[in-house]
Amino acid sequence: EIVLTQSPATLSLSPGARATLSCRASQSVSSYLAWYQQKPGQAPRLLIYDASNRATGIPARFSGSGSGTDFTLTISSLEPEDFAVYYCQQRRSWPLTFGGGTKVEIK
Amino acid sequence: EVQLVESGGGLVQPGGSLRLSCVASGFTFSSYAMTWVRQAPGKGLEWVSAVSSGGGGNTYYGESVKGRFTISRDNSKNTVYLQMNSLRAEDTALYYCAKGFQMYHMDVWGKGTTVTVSS
Repeated sequence: EIVLTQSPATLSLSPGARATLSCRASQSVSSYLAWYQQKPGQAPRLLIYDASNRATGIPARFSGSGSGTDFTLTISSLEPEDFAVYYCQQRRSWPLTFGGGTKVEIK
Repeated sequence: EVQLVESGGGLVQPGGSLRLSCVASGFTFSSYAMTWVRQAPGKGLEWVSAVSSGGGGNTYYGESVKGRFTISRDNSKNTVYLQMNSLRAEDTALYYCAKGFQMYHMDVWGKGTTVTVSS
């Protein structure tokens, strides 16, 4: 099983700041990594697929990078609606796995 | 509008069974893989099961549910099912149905159905 480790667990930032979230895989997932955003009481929302491709309707302030075992989600300038929990997920091999999440909270 | 609506959750005793359903609309259901993901209260996301597109000939399961849960699909009803047997307290969670994207990423999610396993 591929283990995805997200860091930090919590990121405390102010609106307008740049957020950098990390996801590290226990073995290579090539570029088969996605990022999701989840707000309280809501279902997850796909932000980035295959490491660096924004999903439909996702603002340009969200970007993804990386390949192999190290990946980054960057939010260039935090908007109030971006404070949420973010998860990474790999589809390289079975079982599919999610990271434990990073909570981005208002400082 | 692309939509997924889950149903079938509820309170069940340990060792009992439930069948979850997820009805899809707004897209060509048979063309996409479908996935179940769960979230225990206050916890993160856990992938549960997936079924391939088309006839659903390929099914996949997480280790924690293998041998107890069965995923299936009925393309004539635009519905994916999750049959859950031998339920345990640790299966208590909100169960989401999700549409496959780029095979097994997930781009559309339902609102979820809650399963509580307790005596």
